[in-house]
Formats: sequence, structure tokens, C-alpha cells
Amino acid sequence: IAGITQAPTSQILAAGRRMTLRCTQDMRHNAMYWYRQDLGLGLRLIHYSNTAGTTGKGEVPDGYSVSRANTDDFPLTLASAVPSQTSVYFCASSDWSGGRYNEQFFGPGTRLTVL
Amino acid sequence: DQQVKQNSPSLSVQEGRISILNCDYTNSMFDYFLWYKKYPAEGPTFLISISSIKDKNEDGRFTVFLNKSAKHLSLHIVPSQPGDSAVYFCAASGRRGGATNKLIFGTGTLLAVQP
Repeated sequence: IAGITQAPTSQILAAGRRMTLRCTQDMRHNAMYWYRQDLGLGLRLIHYSNTAGTTGKGEVPDGYSVSRANTDDFPLTLASAVPSQTSVYFCASSDWSGGRYNEQFFGPGTRLTVL
Repeated sequence: DQQVKQNSPSLSVQEGRISILNCDYTNSMFDYFLWYKKYPAEGPTFLISISSIKDKNEDGRFTVFLNKSAKHLSLHIVPSQPGDSAVYFCAASGRRGGATNKLIFGTGTLLAVQP
């Protein structure tokens, strides 16, 4: 593994079903993030984690939950998927140095379609 | 309310010429700005950044200019190459106010460099 991996690559899901998107990084970065990308809206932050054991809400957290049990993994769960959650989801990570977080590194994305 | 705006959804440039991508922001608490490049079916990749204490940062063919009074930044690519064709996202973050790591992204500009 090099960098950030996400799974699955794509998924079609029936509305009301539960889904977990997986994200793993091998760079030992402190912070991890989940974004969704929608046409005309750019990337919007869903949830983030500054360090293992802590999480925080981003711009669009409703309908999503996250956990950060260890440094490497940051799964995103949709408890009951709705069609408006159809999107491309990106996981990212960054490290802390020089008094601030550095640039974020992104995974390849998961394309989710909720019918 | 969009705090980071990229008002041009697309831009077409001839190979060898200069590409200028623009970004405006509204939040004066932002003090760090980044440009990301995104190819289809891939995650965004970091391109270049600038701190608010500078007004210019250069890296090879890429230069970012920051005009704090106008709350405006731009990315210049000289000379443009067909491989530069991608979506470019502007992003901002602020150390002040505790938002040390959360990035706010613009909606992106699709650059097409014509051979």
C-alpha cells in the first residue's frame, strides 16, 4: 500500500441500506478527512479527525458517521442511504508540522449511487 | 454561502500559452491557500500553495499570486501543456479561529489545453 486506498471503487446501493466506505492510509498522518464531490459544488467536507480517537463535523455531516479507532483507518458510514447521498466520496489525510497541518493527500475516490 | 469562489467553470487555452485560473474568497480569516489538480476518475493532487504572508509563490511552470486586499488569488501556468488539462480546485484554510486544518474548496475550473 502506498498513500491512501479507498474501497469499494464504486457501489450501487438501494435507498435505506447501510453502507460503510473504507479508507486506509500508510503515511502515519495525524489527520484524516472525508469529502464528497458534487457537480457545481466542488468538494465539501463531511467529517474529519485530527488524531486517532477524535472526530469532528464538517460542512455536510448529516446522514454520515465516522470513527477513528487507529491512525491508519477512517471509515465513513451511511446508516440509511438516501438518493441525495449519490456522489463521489474522497478520503484524505494530512500531517502536522511547522505549526500547521500541511497539504492534504487524497485517495482515488468511491463512486456511490443510491437508488 | 460559498466562501471560496471559482467563477469560471471552464477555460480553454492553446498549448504554449499562459493559463490563468482565478479564485476569490470572502472569509478574511483564511491565511493559507492551495491549488489542487484533478484528473477524471482520480483523487485531487496537491499542486502549489501560498501563505497569506506572501503575495507570490512559484514552482516551475506554476505560479500562484495572492492579493489579500482584493481577497483574490490566481494560478498561472506557463507554458501550458496538453497534460495540464484537468479540473483545478482552489482551497483555503485559516489558522485563526481554530480552523487549522479544514479546507474550504471552490467549485473548480475545467482547463482544456488545445494542442
